[in-house]
Amino acid sequence: QQKVQQSPESLTVSEGAMASLNCTFSDRSSDNFRWYRQHSGKGLEVLVSIFSDGEKEEGSFTAHLNRASLHVFLHIREPQPSDSALYLCAVGYNQGKLIFGQGTKLSIKP
Amino acid sequence: EAAVTQSPRNKVTVTGGNVTLSCRQTNSHNYMYWYRQDTGHGLRLIHYSYGAGNLQIGDVPDGYKATRTTQEDFFLLLELASPSQTSLYFCASSDRDREYEQYFGPGTRLTVL
Repeated sequence: QQKVQQSPESLTVSEGAMASLNCTFSDRSSDNFRWYRQHSGKGLEVLVSIFSDGEKEEGSFTAHLNRASLHVFLHIREPQPSDSALYLCAVGYNQGKLIFGQGTKLSIKP
Repeated sequence: EAAVTQSPRNKVTVTGGNVTLSCRQTNSHNYMYWYRQDTGHGLRLIHYSYGAGNLQIGDVPDGYKATRTTQEDFFLLLELASPSQTSLYFCASSDRDREYEQYFGPGTRLTVL
């Protein structure tokens, strides 16, 4: 079964500095990868989806997929304090099922 | 955008109690899902459904039943609640042709004392 791990568990960056989050998966046959954001006490907001190796940009969010190395990264350009949240990586497998990582808690310092 | 609603938003019960969590989606999606979210585990799939009357077992099904009565409605049942089921529960839905594009409800926080 697909296993998904995220690192680091928590990350603090200064406002305006690039934030980079890492997600490692175990089965490179997957072809559907998503990053979600969850503000405290709220639901999940999809940020970017990526289906093939390379990069995909959505606003200030860029996903970078490298299936050979079993990694999908999320880069956040010029984050604001409002971007402080839990970030979740999800990998699709087996007819509609998503496997989630445990999340990275991102804090943006003003 | 798909609309997924959940009720109740908060629920407190006692050990051994009976709880039903409700989910409704209004975009005619075929697939519906129930997840639980716990610190350190992300979201884990409990049960899911491909359509009315259909049920599939997820990755953490023990202690839970589910029922899909209509295209729109999906219920999660805890018949003998235990403190280990204290969690944040999310429902999601997706279209059959874009099954990984899941739309999530706002969540139900369940506390079992």
